Amino acid sequence: DVKVTQSSRYLVKRTGEKVFLECVQDMDHENMFWYRQDPGLGLRLIYFSYDVKMKEKGDIPEGYSVSREKKERFSLILESASTNQTSMYLCASRVENQPQHFGDGTRLSIL
Amino acid sequence: QKEVEQNSGPLSVPEGAIASLNCTYSDRGSQSFFWYRQYSGKSPELIMFIYSNGDKEDGRFTAQLNKASQYVSLLIRDSQPSDSATYLCAVLSGTYKYIFGTGTRLKVLA
Repeated sequence: DVKVTQSSRYLVKRTGEKVFLECVQDMDHENMFWYRQDPGLGLRLIYFSYDVKMKEKGDIPEGYSVSREKKERFSLILESASTNQTSMYLCASRVENQPQHFGDGTRLSIL
Repeated sequence: QKEVEQNSGPLSVPEGAIASLNCTYSDRGSQSFFWYRQYSGKSPELIMFIYSNGDKEDGRFTAQLNKASQYVSLLIRDSQPSDSATYLCAVLSGTYKYIFGTGTRLKVLA
């Protein structure tokens, strides 16, 4: 079974803080993805990584950065958190040309 | 802007009936199509994927793909109250980008 683990289920941070969301997969998947999910807007791709140290912007990368130093770990960084970044954040991974699988999600609140 | 459209629902069906969920997409070049189920407060869970025109069956679930009409559907036979969830349609556009619909909320009435 595919296991994608996100470090926190719930997180509360303050405006202006630097926030790190971690995602780890144990299936040697090449591709990893970060999405945010908001009511009425669906899932939107923030960044993805097709291999170690490689990253590509998704549809809404502004205010975010990512890091992938090891194959199993993909980190999402909010450089200076703002209230409009309050959302559900979902990490996913896949072997190329196979479906992606999601972690449990992190519900992030920025106060 | 490439899009995936779903009726937001709720779609209400009685227990034991067939639930039919539909999805249209705009990227004619898309080759891979997915259905995810998402319970309230949980993350999406893959239930079906389909790459070729026609039907693909897995237990009570059948995915149907019509590339000419740019249309994907999911049928759930013998619907159960535990099937009540939001169903997300996703289309792979290019090599890496998945485009998700906003989901159809299904309610199965006991």
